[in-house]
Amino acid sequence: GAVVSQHPSRVICKSGTSVKIECRSLDFQATTMFWYRQFPKKSLMLMATSNEGSKATYEQGVEKDKFLINHASLTLSTLTVTSAHPEDSSFYICSARERQVNNQPQHFGDGTRLSIL
Amino acid sequence: AQKITQTQPGMFVQEKEAVTLDCTYDTSDPSYGLFWYKQPSSGEMIFLIYQGSYDQQNATEGRYSLNFQKARKSANLVISASQLGDSAMYFCAMRESLTGNQFYFGTGTSLTVIP
Repeated sequence: GAVVSQHPSRVICKSGTSVKIECRSLDFQATTMFWYRQFPKKSLMLMATSNEGSKATYEQGVEKDKFLINHASLTLSTLTVTSAHPEDSSFYICSARERQVNNQPQHFGDGTRLSIL
Repeated sequence: AQKITQTQPGMFVQEKEAVTLDCTYDTSDPSYGLFWYKQPSSGEMIFLIYQGSYDQQNATEGRYSLNFQKARKSANLVISASQLGDSAMYFCAMRESLTGNQFYFGTGTSLTVIP
């Protein structure tokens, strides 16, 4: 079945560092990918929709300059957390949908646990 | 209004028993899809089951079945013969045809299977 790979799975870094997270669709093309943020024991919060070849669509309250999204190919989207601070520590997870039909689920990466010291 | 409501923050079930996880949804779109995902403590989101708004029969996938009551706008997940490995967070989600790709997630239910 469709697989989405997310890398890295865990990042621990100092405050002020920029961190890039990759999301790849391994066996299908994804014109649209999604980035979510999840706090402990909470639901997934959609941050932005990543569109191949065009600008990402950000949800209300998500800083575009803080969370840079690039979707340069049909199989890769990247999320860069710029100048990360401790409050950016969270679980980030991406997803993609294989085909534009109603019964296709979103396939998720395994997530990235980001810890900013 | 919330698109997806899961009213059970936590549930316990005895091993080998069945359990029902509740999900209600809100939409005026006649065409929509309902999904259930499992999230173990390791974090990955595992797709379990899908129900389309026009499906006449309740969806089933192995030990998972979906009790779809369209008039009541509910899509409860039933897990039969619970196993210890079923302990996880469970999320109900909806996608509306009018909003295209966007998924709406519920707040989740934490299921604990007791040996």
